[in-house]
Amino acid sequence: QSVLTQPPSVSGAPGQRVTISCTGSSSNIGAGYDVHWYQQLPGTAPKLLIYGNNNRPSGVPDRFSGSKSGTSASLAITGLQADDEADYYCQSYDSSLSGRVFGGGTKLTVL
Amino acid sequence: EVQVVETGGGLIQPGGSLRLSCAASGFTVSSNYMSWVRQAPGKGLEWVSVIFSVGSTFYADSVKGRFIISRDSSKNTLYLQMNSLRAEDTAVYYCARERMRMTMVQGVGRDSYWFDTWGQGTLVTVSS
Repeated sequence: QSVLTQPPSVSGAPGQRVTISCTGSSSNIGAGYDVHWYQQLPGTAPKLLIYGNNNRPSGVPDRFSGSKSGTSASLAITGLQADDEADYYCQSYDSSLSGRVFGGGTKLTVL
Repeated sequence: EVQVVETGGGLIQPGGSLRLSCAASGFTVSSNYMSWVRQAPGKGLEWVSVIFSVGSTFYADSVKGRFIISRDSSKNTLYLQMNSLRAEDTAVYYCARERMRMTMVQGVGRDSYWFDTWGQGTLVTVSS
């Protein structure tokens, strides 16, 4: 069981908007630690998508955005494209475990 | 260009040892926080270990006492020495550079860490 909880899968049609949730607890997200998001295309290494809750690294399209509230965070993807089909992971820090923690990952399918 | 390249994976018997290497270019390993993250076949990401720029090291409970993270400044390389390997250690092991920022939450500082540079990974298979 992952410390951060994500839905196993989400789907959407091209052009639509989807959101992926990431639920934590009072020792990680709820304690004020930032949430970060990674995209893992099939057969490749993870890539940083969002850092510090809502910041995009250079080169990441503004179709991707992040938000955080309380013990949860969300990744939103607008204008879905076929090459957005990938696994998405949230990540934070947990003070009880004294370590970096990931969500279990969400597989995005573009219909 | 900032990049890291992992090597050293392979097939190893349970109870055996293996050392992974991560060669960095475009930045200095010893000036950064560096982590190992692993991914078992068909599973999610699991943080394994980190070494701070000051040399402090931390481990996930699942590998504590068996794995050792280290670095060689002269080679600009990060290592992961894996001992007493188990079948459940089978995974692709990624080397990653970390970034950190501190934020104040209700008067308390919170250090948050994220991984901005990843290697392509090296597969470790523990099996007899």
